[in-house]
Amino acid sequence: DSGVTQTPKHLITATGQRVTLRCSPRSGDLSVYWYQQSLDQGLQFLIQYYNGEERAKGNILERFSAQQFPDLHSELNLSSLELGDSALYFCASSVEWAGANVLTFGAGSRLTVL
Amino acid sequence: GDSVTQMEGPVTLSEEAFLTINCTYTATGYPSLFWYVQYPGEGLQLLLKATKADDKGSNKGFEATYRKETTSFHLEKGSVQVSDSAVYFCALTGTSYDKVIFGPGTSLSVIP
Repeated sequence: DSGVTQTPKHLITATGQRVTLRCSPRSGDLSVYWYQQSLDQGLQFLIQYYNGEERAKGNILERFSAQQFPDLHSELNLSSLELGDSALYFCASSVEWAGANVLTFGAGSRLTVL
Repeated sequence: GDSVTQMEGPVTLSEEAFLTINCTYTATGYPSLFWYVQYPGEGLQLLLKATKADDKGSNKGFEATYRKETTSFHLEKGSVQVSDSAVYFCALTGTSYDKVIFGPGTSLSVIP
């Protein structure tokens, strides 16, 4: 157990729907990162938060949004889902927001869009 | 922009063979370099890291040396085991930006 908790582990939904993925960072970590992992795109950085503030944005679609709450948990909202959004979504956390940061990953949420 | 390039996989080795997975990077300034490993069905976990030139990171028999002159951070292990079968990701992060940039990953299969 890495200390980073992601729910749900698996999610199956239909095109056009909206889902929310949740992440609780490791105790003491202030920074949360979201990554999408698919077979053809590899590991893609989506977005990062530090202590409630957005710090960096990657290849995140406009249909996707995220936030980090005062208790430091984070949610990734995916809307108007398409077949191509089927992927593993990983959350990671770290103590700092930059530098020689070691990321601790959760086990991932597998999203299947039918 | 900053980027990480890894050798294409999949790599298949026999048990006790020598492993090298090449990683080169492009970055401004002085990034920190990492190897992460992803075992089947799990998230990524840190394998080793190096934060400055000529540093050697090591863990579980794996080693990698930060070579600034060749902008490389190749992963090596002298004798692989079946349990080393996983996907290996090279990554970098800089002191002046927030993102951790991952390479595409190299899948390793070790057969008995």
